[in-house]
Amino acid sequence: GAVVSQHPSWVICKSGTSVKIECRSLDFQATTMFWYRQFPKQSLMLMATSNEGSKATYEQGVEKDKFLINHASLTLSTLTVTSAHPEDSSFYICSAPQTGYNEQFFGPGTRLTVL
Amino acid sequence: AQSVSQHNHHVILSEAASLELGCNYSYGGTVNLFWYVQYPGQHLQLLLKYFSGDPLVKGIKGFEAEFIKSKFSFNLRKPSVQWSDTAEYFCAVIRQTGANNLFFGTGTRLTVIP
Repeated sequence: GAVVSQHPSWVICKSGTSVKIECRSLDFQATTMFWYRQFPKQSLMLMATSNEGSKATYEQGVEKDKFLINHASLTLSTLTVTSAHPEDSSFYICSAPQTGYNEQFFGPGTRLTVL
Repeated sequence: AQSVSQHNHHVILSEAASLELGCNYSYGGTVNLFWYVQYPGQHLQLLLKYFSGDPLVKGIKGFEAEFIKSKFSFNLRKPSVQWSDTAEYFCAVIRQTGANNLFFGTGTRLTVIP
């Protein structure tokens, strides 16, 4: 099956710093990628849809200036948490649909801890 | 708005007991349905999926699910659970047309007691 990777898998940062999370589709091209956030013991919440070559689409309540998304190529999308605060600590997961398959392939997730 | 509901938040079973986790969705159009499992400390894994055809689908590890269109349901079942099935289970729906993002249910935590 298709493989999606994320880097880093775990990051700890100080409050006020910015953190970049990468999502890569390893063996297929993805014009669209999705970013989710999962708080402890809760479900995945869609944050934004990343579109290659155009602006990302953010879900209601998600600050686009805080969560910067760049879909630079057909295999890479990045999520940058700017000026991170402890309340941004969460598990961030990306997914990508493979063309022709109405199914999402998930990355392993990135655990962000903001001190 | 489209939503997915899972009725059971936490289910506790003894080994060898039968399992059924409920999932209902609210969307009148054609959908594809999924069950994902998340073992402690691990990422999401696909258990099974329904796109079309036989409404009873079989997945990995002995799991199966039945799509009942009239009830907008896609319940997950397993006849005999094992301790290793302890995990979080998520039902998810995607519309066949339009936006292709998944809508997740709130999840059901399954604890299997040896």
